[in-house]
Amino acid sequence: SAVISQKPSRDICQRGTSLTIQCQVDSQVTMMFWYRQQPGQSLTLIATANQGSEATYESGFVIDKFPISRPNLTFSTLTVSNMSPEDSSIYLCSHRGGGLDTQYFGPGTRLTVL
Amino acid sequence: EDKVVQSPLSLVVHEGDTVTLNCSYEVTNFRSLLWYKQEKKAPTFLFMLTSSGIEKKSGRLSSILDKKELFSILNITATQTGDSAIYLCAVGATSGTYKYIFGTGTRLKVLA
Repeated sequence: SAVISQKPSRDICQRGTSLTIQCQVDSQVTMMFWYRQQPGQSLTLIATANQGSEATYESGFVIDKFPISRPNLTFSTLTVSNMSPEDSSIYLCSHRGGGLDTQYFGPGTRLTVL
Repeated sequence: EDKVVQSPLSLVVHEGDTVTLNCSYEVTNFRSLLWYKQEKKAPTFLFMLTSSGIEKKSGRLSSILDKKELFSILNITATQTGDSAIYLCAVGATSGTYKYIFGTGTRLKVLA
C-alpha cells in the first residue's frame, strides 16, 4: 500500500483560528479520505477527496468549516476553520488499497483547541 | 441506520491469556469487515474479511466472519503487553456511496 505522511503531527491552537493539515501519499491514489476521532470516540468520516472535483462531505460536516483541497493524486489538505474546543480531535487521512476494500491511514494529527 | 457495535468496551488481562473481541453490525449492502489496531493515533490494518467461515490468521491473531449472524470475532492468543491497544472494527457498506462505518473500539490492556 502507498505510505501516507501527515503534518503537523500535533498542534495546540487558540479558539477562532484555523489550522491546515497536510496529507502526502508516496504514490498516486484515486480517493483520499479525512476522518475525525474525538476523545474516547471512534472514527467518523468527514469527507472524501477526489482529484479534480469537489470533496464529498458526510452528514454533519460542511465545506465552510472543513474546506478540503486535492490538487493532485498524491496530496490533500484539510482545514479546520474558526476552531472551538469541540474541534479537539485526532484528524486522520487515509486511502484505499488495491481493490478498494482495504483502507490505510496516515499517522494522524492531534489537535487541541484552547 | 448503519451501525457497528463492539464488545466489550474494555478488557484487562494478564500476559499469556487468550482474548476474544466481538464486532456485530447492521449495514446496508455489506462489502467487507476490517480490523485495526490503534496504539497511538493511526489505526494499523490487521485483517480484511469478506467471506463467512474463512479464518484469517497472522501470528497470534486470528479473525473470522459470520455473515448470517452479522458478526466477527478477533482472537488474540498468548497475549503480550505489546498487544495493549484499542482494536477497531470497520464495516464497508454501499448505502449510497461506499464507505466504512467504525465501531467505538475495544480497549485492551495486557498486564505483565
